[in-house]
Amino acid sequence: GENVEQHPSTLSVQEGDSAVIKCTYSDSASNYFPWYKQELGKRPQLIIDIRSNVGEKKDQRIAVTLNKTAKHFSLHITETQPEDSAVYFCLASSGGYNKLIFGAGTRLAVHP
Amino acid sequence: NAGVTQTPKFRVLKTGQSMTLLCAQDMNHEYMYWYRQDPGMGLRLIHYSVGEGTTAKGEVPDGYNVSRLKKQNFLLGLESAAPSQTSVYFCASIPRGAVDTQYFGPGTRLTVL
Repeated sequence: GENVEQHPSTLSVQEGDSAVIKCTYSDSASNYFPWYKQELGKRPQLIIDIRSNVGEKKDQRIAVTLNKTAKHFSLHITETQPEDSAVYFCLASSGGYNKLIFGAGTRLAVHP
Repeated sequence: NAGVTQTPKFRVLKTGQSMTLLCAQDMNHEYMYWYRQDPGMGLRLIHYSVGEGTTAKGEVPDGYNVSRLKKQNFLLGLESAAPSQTSVYFCASIPRGAVDTQYFGPGTRLTVL
């Protein structure tokens, strides 16, 4: 089955800096890679995703890159703002719905 | 359209008590999932269902049972609650053919004393 490792577990940056979170997956059949943001006390929300037929996707200040050969994908947040402070989770899916396993999460703190 | 709802929002149990958490979705989604999230931790899959009448084990199924008698409802049961089951429980659902639209419920905060 799929195994997803996420690093780092915590990340602290100054406002305006960039933040990068990386996930490594094990199942080469995985073809869908979403990222979720969870603010304190709230439910996870999808913020960006990428499919295996593209290498990069951007949405304003966030982007996701995928390296299928190395089996890893990363979340990039530029010009970080205090409201970006949250826990971020990755997920790797092979298109089946049987087991959707999340990475362990990264707690991002953006300091003013 | 309420989306995914969870009942109750909060609950305190004593060790050994039983309870059922209800997840309901009104979007006609095929797939439903129960996760638990311990303080400062990630989401761990307890059980899931790929359709009405079917359920399967996730990563951490011990101590829990589930049922999907109706397509819109996914029930999570604790037969004999233990302090180790203190957690926030999230339900999620996905429509057929659209894994990129996983909807989460608001969560149920459970404390077992």
